[in-house]
Amino acid sequence: DAGVIQSPRHEVTEMGQEVTLRCKPISGHDYLFWYRQTMMRGLELLIYFNNNVPIDDSGMPEDRFSAKMPNASFSTLKIQPSEPRDSAVYFCASSLAPSIQYYGYTFGSGTRLTVV
Amino acid sequence: KNQVEQSPQSLIILEGKNCTLQCNYTVSPFSNLRWYKQDTGRGPVSLTIMTFSENTKSNGRYTATLDADTKQSSLHITASQLSDSASYICVVSAQGGGADGLTFGKGTHLIIQP
Repeated sequence: DAGVIQSPRHEVTEMGQEVTLRCKPISGHDYLFWYRQTMMRGLELLIYFNNNVPIDDSGMPEDRFSAKMPNASFSTLKIQPSEPRDSAVYFCASSLAPSIQYYGYTFGSGTRLTVV
Repeated sequence: KNQVEQSPQSLIILEGKNCTLQCNYTVSPFSNLRWYKQDTGRGPVSLTIMTFSENTKSNGRYTATLDADTKQSSLHITASQLSDSASYICVVSAQGGGADGLTFGKGTHLIIQP
């Protein structure tokens, strides 16, 4: 398995533009997570899905952020409009239920977003 | 509030030397503790997982310890190599916390100098 695949690896965009981050989880994994990582705050959970259904989006900073999982092999995180404070590394991770706390996550390599 | 504090924030040591990274947590009720290694430009990768009844667990040159009474864990790296340069993140799971019941530390940034 190629692991969790994220694209693009790097994204530089101007403030106000729409940004879409993409993720392909490991085949067979029931859970998909979107995290944001900054130096100041470390890793923060934004939203997670179970069997393609959003379960908890309380970590999404504001309405400018949205995430979808149209099928078991694809998810997107969209920021519209983007702002400089959104600059961070965004990670997608997937995991196998039911003992998710034991199996842990497999993280993708992340997307480094820079909003100028 | 569940918290995970890691120290030091950053550390520089010479190749071949040993080092110990610390993790203190207030997560309750405790389920397990995991150490992740994050190479620059990559996602975190799990090194070890420890449950309540485990005191020590090794993975090659990495040895993790857990003291559930004092709520402390350490990660000891023996005979460091240049490839050990990375951030090390401590993650604590709460019982019954579900898929989002994880508390992440901010990590220790380790640099191995030749």
